[in-house]
Amino acid sequence: EAQVTQNPRYLITVTGKKLTVTCSQNMNHEYMSWYRQDPGLGLRQIYYSMNVEVTDKGDVPEGYKVSRKEKRNFPLILESPSPNQTSLYFCASSLGGVDGYTFGSGTRLTVV
Amino acid sequence: ILNVEQSPQSLHVQEGDSTNFTCSFPSSNFYALHWYRWETAKSPEALFVMTLNGDEKKKGRISATLNTKEGYSYLYIKGSQPEDSATYLCAHYGSGNTGKLIFGQGTTLQVKP
Repeated sequence: EAQVTQNPRYLITVTGKKLTVTCSQNMNHEYMSWYRQDPGLGLRQIYYSMNVEVTDKGDVPEGYKVSRKEKRNFPLILESPSPNQTSLYFCASSLGGVDGYTFGSGTRLTVV
Repeated sequence: ILNVEQSPQSLHVQEGDSTNFTCSFPSSNFYALHWYRWETAKSPEALFVMTLNGDEKKKGRISATLNTKEGYSYLYIKGSQPEDSATYLCAHYGSGNTGKLIFGQGTTLQVKP
């Protein structure tokens, strides 16, 4: 089944404790992206990647890192999480601009 | 327009009503316009990707039009059903095929039986 797999689905952590949210797709998509969703603010792009080793900042990259060492994986790293990073996170992948994105199931992160 | 804007923010209609929403986006550097449907507790799902001025796309009772010169797209739902209740998002690819996809805040549709 073609899909984007995010893990974990739910995570509660403490301020400052490094964490990684994994994202993997099995569709051989070049494009991958991370979004966060907050009430009243919609989906905001954190980072995106056009291919292996090619990443760029979205609109809200502060406090996040990404890497794209393999085509299928695009992990999101929070080196020192803070409470304002409490949010619902989505990973998505696509063949490119004229192809719709396939979204993962989401990761609900709470930082206390 | 610098951002992607959708209106109305929310909409309540009766079953059988037809409805439409608007997505406004910057008309310069246009590459593509996406529409997504997002049901509660699920993930957004792609409905349409539109690239050409005057484009019209249709999927069942849902259709969309695109005007790239003036920077807007309309989504229409004919004969709304309760299962159409969802948030409808549009997203703009405005910097070429770079992966930078900017979403509007969505229109939340509630269809009452």
